Amino acid sequence: DVKVTQSSRYLVKRTGEKVFLECVQDMDHENMFWYRQDPGLGLRLIYFSYDVKMKEKGDIPEGYSVSREKKERFSLILESASTNQTSMYLCASRASTSALIFGPGTRLTVT
Amino acid sequence: GESVGLHLPTLSVQEGDNSIINCAYSNSASDYFIWYKQESGKGPQFIIDIRSNMDKRQGQRVTVLLNKTVKHLSLQIAATQPGDSAVYFCAENGMSGGGADGLTFGKGTHLIIQP
Repeated sequence: DVKVTQSSRYLVKRTGEKVFLECVQDMDHENMFWYRQDPGLGLRLIYFSYDVKMKEKGDIPEGYSVSREKKERFSLILESASTNQTSMYLCASRASTSALIFGPGTRLTVT
Repeated sequence: GESVGLHLPTLSVQEGDNSIINCAYSNSASDYFIWYKQESGKGPQFIIDIRSNMDKRQGQRVTVLLNKTVKHLSLQIAATQPGDSAVYFCAENGMSGGGADGLTFGKGTHLIIQP
């Protein structure tokens, strides 16, 4: 069963902490994405990657960075977490002309 | 600007009835459309997709209709079941007007199943 997995379902961090969200896909997809989802705002793209070591800014990259050292793994990093980064974070992957396949999501709370 | 939207934020149907969820899009260059289902607290789940060279595609209990003339997409769910309760949203793939990845997502319709 092909899938996208995320390291945590729920995470609680303090303001100023460095936070790592990990994502792994087993479909050999070239493209991987990080979104955040907030009530009333829908899905917003943070960063994406078309290949190993490649990264592109999405629509809301401020306060985030990413790392893609291996094809199957795409990490989202919050350098210094803030309360406005409390959200549901969704990782996704896709082949070049196929649908996005999403992970289960990580609900992050920053206190 | 370009946008993908839904006509109704909430749709309530009786168990066993058919459900129709609608989506309007404005980018005439979009060539690929996807429907997702998202249950509470979970990630979106792919349901069905359709390319712009088709106007209808069927899956198991679901049908997607694409009307390019009026830029309208719909998802039909036959014999709705309690497990169909979720938020449904559409996405379009067009190289202009979408987000940086070329995908534009609708805000979603909450489907509620009445017993």
